[in-house]
Amino acid sequence: GQQVMQIPQYQHVQEGEDFTTYCNSSTTLSNIQWYKQRPGGHPVFLIQLVKSGEVKKQKRLTFQFGEAKKNSSLHITATQTTDVGTYFCAGSMEYGNKLVFGAGTILRVKS
Amino acid sequence: NAGVTQTPKFRVLKTGQSMTLLCAQDMNHEYMYWYRQDPGMGLRLIHYSVGEGTTAKGEVPDGYNVSRLKKQNFLLGLESAAPSQTSVYFCASSPSGQGHSPLHFGNGTRLTVT
Repeated sequence: GQQVMQIPQYQHVQEGEDFTTYCNSSTTLSNIQWYKQRPGGHPVFLIQLVKSGEVKKQKRLTFQFGEAKKNSSLHITATQTTDVGTYFCAGSMEYGNKLVFGAGTILRVKS
Repeated sequence: NAGVTQTPKFRVLKTGQSMTLLCAQDMNHEYMYWYRQDPGMGLRLIHYSVGEGTTAKGEVPDGYNVSRLKKQNFLLGLESAAPSQTSVYFCASSPSGQGHSPLHFGNGTRLTVT
C-alpha cells in the first residue's frame, strides 16, 4: 500500500538555527499537505502543494514539492521557540483519495 | 464557531468495557474522519464518512464501529475495549474529500485501556 516516510523522527536545534524535515513516498503523489501539532494539541493545517516542483513560503517556512511528486520538504529558517511541535506531511495518491500521514518530525528548540 | 468538538477529553476503560466517542462539527462539512495517534506512527485513519448516513473503513478499522446519523455528528464506538486501543483519538472534518481540502481536527480524546 501507499507509504509516506518522514525523516528525521526527532530534531533538537538551538534557537536561530535552521530546520528541515523530509517526506518521501513510495508512489507518485497527487498532492501533499503539511500539518503542525503543538505539544498536547491537535494537528493544524499549514499548506497544500499540488504542482510538480512547487515552492511555497509562509514567513520563515518554505515548502517544496519534488519534480517527480514523490517527495516534499519543509524548511524553517532561524527557528524560534514558538516553532516547537511535531510536523506531519500527508500525501494523497489520487486527488481526493485518502490522505496517508507520515510519522512526523518532532522539533525541539533550545533558547 | 466552535469548529470540531470532541467529548470526552480523557477516559480510562477496563478491558472489555465499551464506550462511544462523540464528535460534532458546526462547519457544515460533508466529510468526517476518525484517526488514532500513537507514538512514532503518525495518524492512522480508522473510519470515515463522505456524508450523512454513510461510513467507510479506513486503514485500521478492526475493533471500532461508527455512525453518522446526522451530518454534524460522527460517533466512534468501541464495543469491547482492548489495551491495544490505548491511544489518542482525533476527529476531523473537511468540506470535500481528503486531498481536496484541509482537515480540521478536534482537540482529541486520550483513551487508556487497562
